[in-house]
Amino acid sequence: DVKVTQSSRYLVKRTGEKVFLECVQDMDHENMFWYRQDPGLGLRLIYFSYDVKMKEKGDIPEGYSVSREKKERFSLILESASTNQTSMYLCASSFPPVEAFFGQGTRLTVV
Amino acid sequence: QKEVEQNSGPLSVPEGAIASLNCTYSDRGSQSFFWYRQYSGKSPELIMFIYSNGDKEDGRFTAQLNKASQYVSLLIRDSQPSDSATYLCAGGGPAGTALIFGKGTTLSVSS
Repeated sequence: DVKVTQSSRYLVKRTGEKVFLECVQDMDHENMFWYRQDPGLGLRLIYFSYDVKMKEKGDIPEGYSVSREKKERFSLILESASTNQTSMYLCASSFPPVEAFFGQGTRLTVV
Repeated sequence: QKEVEQNSGPLSVPEGAIASLNCTYSDRGSQSFFWYRQYSGKSPELIMFIYSNGDKEDGRFTAQLNKASQYVSLLIRDSQPSDSATYLCAGGGPAGTALIFGKGTTLSVSS
């Protein structure tokens, strides 16, 4: 019954590395999202995509990029990881107005 | 700026009581609203969605939407200690628009 799958639960990377976070959904949803969640700050939208090869910046896109080459897959890329990007990263996909599901989350630590 | 506001809590209720969680939103273009439950260290889990004015019931949960007042609520009847979690409210527009989240309300149910 898995719907949204993120490639890693836990990830440790070094400062300056290029980091790829992968997300796959099996529900044929048009919309996919990347959020980060930090204590006291809630869920903040990094990027979202409403179709293949289409993307929109969210509230905090700096330092990130995304790729959506296939409908089911949405990748988040940290171009040069920094310690302030240590966070929980959550991928979601939606079918308005009735469905919006999250993956299990990736806890990224940048050292 | 589209916003979803929630009282951060903590909201404390005794076991068996009704817990009432509230949410307001600024974007009149929002069409559907989602309630998520999030346990510490886990990803958000969808409880309910609502997109029509009025009440929607699912087991012990009732979602209420008042579009004129831009207000959404979640009632949890017969609260259980296992309901202790953070509850996130999210608003969504039509396809191609982002899901906007509140910062969440922490609920504590004491036995």
